[in-house]
Amino acid sequence: DTAVSQTPKYLVTQMGNDKSIKCEQNLGHDTMYWYKQDSKKFLKIMFSYNNKELIINETVPNRFSPKSPDKAHLNLHINSLELGDSAVYFCASSRPDRVLTNTGELFFGEGSRLTVL
Amino acid sequence: AQKITQTQPGMFVQEKEAVTLDCTYDTSDPSYGLFWYKQPSSGEMIFLIYQGSYDQQNATEGRYSLNFQKARKSANLVISASQLGDSAMYFCAMRGLPLRVQGAQKLVFGQGTRLTINP
Repeated sequence: DTAVSQTPKYLVTQMGNDKSIKCEQNLGHDTMYWYKQDSKKFLKIMFSYNNKELIINETVPNRFSPKSPDKAHLNLHINSLELGDSAVYFCASSRPDRVLTNTGELFFGEGSRLTVL
Repeated sequence: AQKITQTQPGMFVQEKEAVTLDCTYDTSDPSYGLFWYKQPSSGEMIFLIYQGSYDQQNATEGRYSLNFQKARKSANLVISASQLGDSAMYFCAMRGLPLRVQGAQKLVFGQGTRLTINP
């Protein structure tokens, strides 16, 4: 059973289109994240939700909108795609902080490679 | 704000040798955690090892150990007896205090080091 699963794994689309990436975790975690890995492999946080509440909202264009229908799902919708949006997008989750042994470790999905032409 | 620096863009090591990947950090948080992740060519992010800032001993996990020097603000990863399968990108990351009571953990990553193990 995949712990954090993302779909699609690959996405190729034209500039100006709108696309979504879905993420689901079956670990019972309360907190989920979206990270972006650029072409130089640099990973940067975009958003974080805790139990459907937005906690972290980094400096990301308004074209990016996360949605969390429940604590096991966090989707990412991107409007008006641009060339610079091409990247690998990682979903992740972490244990509730109330767990005393929580190190803050992130459990990552396999990534979704978005290519904008 | 936290900052992670990995100064080695790439490293080449002979199989079975030990290798040290460098990581230095900067933070003003009194409590923090340090992580190493491995990213093979297949792309997934694999958690390797964790060190808490108040842990008395250096963390070890199998062939991985973390050389934590708090005064120097360094958290180097040591891989003993390297194997061909260790070839990958390695990322050092840190978290500070949880941002809210609910505990969203903002991990900040370094630039990564690409490790190549030669047979």
